[in-house]
Amino acid sequence: DIQMTQSPSSLSASVGDRVTITCRASQSIANYLNWYQHKPGTVPKLLIYAASHLRSGVPSRFSGSGSGTEFTLTISGLQPEDFATYYCQHILRTPFTFGQGTSVEIK
Amino acid sequence: QVQLVESGGGVVQPGRSLRLSCAASGFTFSTYGMHWVRQAPGKGLEWVAVIPFDGSNQYYADSVKGRFTISRDNSKNTLYLQMNSLNPEDTAVYYCAKGDYYDNSGIEYLQDWGQGTLVTVSS
Repeated sequence: DIQMTQSPSSLSASVGDRVTITCRASQSIANYLNWYQHKPGTVPKLLIYAASHLRSGVPSRFSGSGSGTEFTLTISGLQPEDFATYYCQHILRTPFTFGQGTSVEIK
Repeated sequence: QVQLVESGGGVVQPGRSLRLSCAASGFTFSTYGMHWVRQAPGKGLEWVAVIPFDGSNQYYADSVKGRFTISRDNSKNTLYLQMNSLNPEDTAVYYCAKGDYYDNSGIEYLQDWGQGTLVTVSS
């Protein structure tokens, strides 16, 4: 099975900061990687698919990059509504493992 | 618009069974693969199972393999998750999600999710 490891597990940041979250796969997954945002009491929300494609309607301050085993999610100019937990998920072959999550908290 | 509504959650004793349902509307259910994803209290998201559009195969996380069965009834636009031999570690909110594909790349993503149904395994 492919393991997904996110770093950091949590971070504190201020409104306006640039935030980068890293996701590493235990083996190459090409660009079979999606990013989700999840806030307590709500439904997970797709942000990025195929490593770098922004879902329609998601603000352009979110961006994804990477291929192979290392991927990043960047939030350029953190907004109050961005405080949440972010997950990567590989979708190469089952099981479609999620990373353990990165909690973005207010500094 | 796409609607996914889970039901069937509740409190169940360890070792017992439960069946979750996910009623789909707003899209042609029979042409999409469907997933179950769960989140245990205080934990992250865990992918559970997937079934292709025609129900021809089923794939599972190691943690539920042999105990859970994903199925679908395309005539009823409904997805199911039969959960047997439940244990406290299965306590979670269970979400169903629709699988969409990026062009013809084979890259699937979960854009539409239900609100989730809570399963509590406790004596």
